[in-house]
Amino acid sequence: AQSVTQPDIHITVSEGASLELRCNYSYGATPYLFWYVQSPGQGLQLLLKYFSGDTLVQGIKGFEAEFKRSQSSFNLRKPSVHWSDAAEYFCAVYNDMRFGAGTRLTVKP
Amino acid sequence: EAGVAQSPRYKIIEKRQSVAFWCNPISGHATLYWYQQILGQGPKLLIQFQNNGVVDDSQLPKDRFSAERLKGVDSTLKIQPAKLEDSAVYLCASSLGWRVTEAFFGQGTRLTVV
Repeated sequence: AQSVTQPDIHITVSEGASLELRCNYSYGATPYLFWYVQSPGQGLQLLLKYFSGDTLVQGIKGFEAEFKRSQSSFNLRKPSVHWSDAAEYFCAVYNDMRFGAGTRLTVKP
Repeated sequence: EAGVAQSPRYKIIEKRQSVAFWCNPISGHATLYWYQQILGQGPKLLIQFQNNGVVDDSQLPKDRFSAERLKGVDSTLKIQPAKLEDSAVYLCASSLGWRVTEAFFGQGTRLTVV
């Protein structure tokens, strides 16, 4: 069955530490992958997207993600987290407009 | 550039009542989506329009939910009658094209059914 999975419901990191949020997909065709961020009371904002080409994609706010076909993953990374990054993060597959369940990021001072 | 506009922002109704949400997409965007986001979950696609035609409504509970997009611009989503489990944020999004272009989201309507 086609699916997108975010294994971590909640992650806590210290400010300044590195971050990696996991996303796994199960699709027969080449997936079109996105990461969105949702801050409290705000709409969903696109961080980055992958359609084809370079498997390491850069996004806004210092985020990047790497598409690994062999692992069916599209993990989101940031080298140094800021307190303002605390939010809910969603991985999405545009092939059928399906979103993962989300990972809530808490940033400790 | 104006974003996706949704109204109302909040709505509280009693079960078995009806409710309607309105969405005005970004000008020129042919594709419009309605999502339901239950607390603690990811957004779930309810219906997708391409201009004023329905592309995908496979996850829309058609016994109580309906949606239309008149003239391929604004859209309304209606629930009649509402159930307690319909409490959620209803998100509208629009994009230039179908699925392979970025979707821009509105701030959503938070519905509470009591």
